[in-house]
Amino acid sequence: GENVEQHPSTLSVQEGDSAVIKCTYSDSASNYFPWYKQELGKRPQLIIDIRSNVGEKKDQRIAVTLNKTAKHFSLHITETQPEDSAVYFCAASRDQAGTALIFGKGTTLSVSS
Amino acid sequence: DAGVIQSPRHEVTEMGQEVTLRCKPISGHDYLFWYRQTMMRGLELLIYFNNNVPIDDSGMPEDRFSAKMPNASFSTLKIQPSEPRDSAVYFCASCSASTDTQYFGPGTRLTVL
Repeated sequence: GENVEQHPSTLSVQEGDSAVIKCTYSDSASNYFPWYKQELGKRPQLIIDIRSNVGEKKDQRIAVTLNKTAKHFSLHITETQPEDSAVYFCAASRDQAGTALIFGKGTTLSVSS
Repeated sequence: DAGVIQSPRHEVTEMGQEVTLRCKPISGHDYLFWYRQTMMRGLELLIYFNNNVPIDDSGMPEDRFSAKMPNASFSTLKIQPSEPRDSAVYFCASCSASTDTQYFGPGTRLTVL
């Protein structure tokens, strides 16, 4: 089955710096890769996703890149702000709506001002 | 739309008691997922349904766990008998067949003493 590894487990940056979180997956059939943000005591919420037919996707300060050959994908946050502090989860699935998402273990991002 | 609704939000029970967690998915969504979140194991998929039919229950930890979806607007996750190691936050999520975005409910924080 699919296995998703996520690094680092914790990341501390200064406000305004960039943050990068990396994930690798094992199932070459996976082709949908969402990223979720979870604030303390809250539910996970989708912030960006990418499909295997695209190498990069950007939404304001957030971008995701995908390397299918190497089976890894990354989340990039630029100009970090204190409100970016949260736990970020990557996930992978074989696409088709509803197919099970396998999550990474999460990265706790702390942005200090 | 009110989003995914879960009840109760918090549950404290004693070992050996039966626990029932409830979920109402977003209206029109075909898929419903149950996840468990702990510090040690992260976010784990327990089971998911498509059109009220269980598709994959391989994540259900043991026979003490059972899930049902009697209609499109309601699902339950039951633990009988409960054990302290079942203490976790249980999330329900739903999505539609036309998109892959899973929307999470607020979660139920379960504590088994």
